[in-house]
Amino acid sequence: AQSVTQLDSQVPVFEEAPVELRCNYSSSVSVYLFWYVQYPNQGLQLLLKYLSGSTLVKGINGFEAEFNKSQTSFHLRKPSVHISDTAEYFCAVRIQGAQKLVFGQGTRLTINP
Amino acid sequence: GAGVSQSPSNKVTEKGKDVELRCDPISGHTALYWYRQRLGQGLEFLIYFQGNSAPDKSGLPSDRFSAERTGESVSTLTIQRTQQEDSAVYLCASSLDVGDDTQYFGPGTRLTVL
Repeated sequence: AQSVTQLDSQVPVFEEAPVELRCNYSSSVSVYLFWYVQYPNQGLQLLLKYLSGSTLVKGINGFEAEFNKSQTSFHLRKPSVHISDTAEYFCAVRIQGAQKLVFGQGTRLTINP
Repeated sequence: GAGVSQSPSNKVTEKGKDVELRCDPISGHTALYWYRQRLGQGLEFLIYFQGNSAPDKSGLPSDRFSAERTGESVSTLTIQRTQQEDSAVYLCASSLDVGDDTQYFGPGTRLTVL
């Protein structure tokens, strides 16, 4: 079975500072990887995804993530955060050939002025 | 076009009562998913519909949970004899087809069982 671990439940950072949200997964078969964002009182929105090809994936709002197969990680990064990035971020995997997403427990990103 | 919509947005019920949650997928999306998000936890897969194929019910936690979908339209998730541990946000998502990787999520229904 697949599992996803988001190592930090909460990450506080100052505005304009860089941030990294960590995600590790476990799977015996190849997977697709996703990051979703949930802004306050809104539904989940796809931030970025890795399917194949370049291991560095760029998403919306200046976020990017790097797939590291040897470390089974898919950490999310942004070089300079804004107040508007305050949200909950979810890492998810889907095994190739299956449909359901397996989610991590989420990381709450709080941006302080 | 409109996104995935869900109703009601909030539902408060008493233990032992039945509830129905509704999901309207994006028009033309053949795949529909239900997930549950308990407080402080990630999303758990419940059930998946794809066209007229038999649904994947592998995530339903008990036989009190059931879901239906008519063709490629509305889906209803029913919870019978609700328990307090059923309290959660129930999220619906849809995708264009089985090969599409992007699932579009609705705003969810917050269920509180007293």
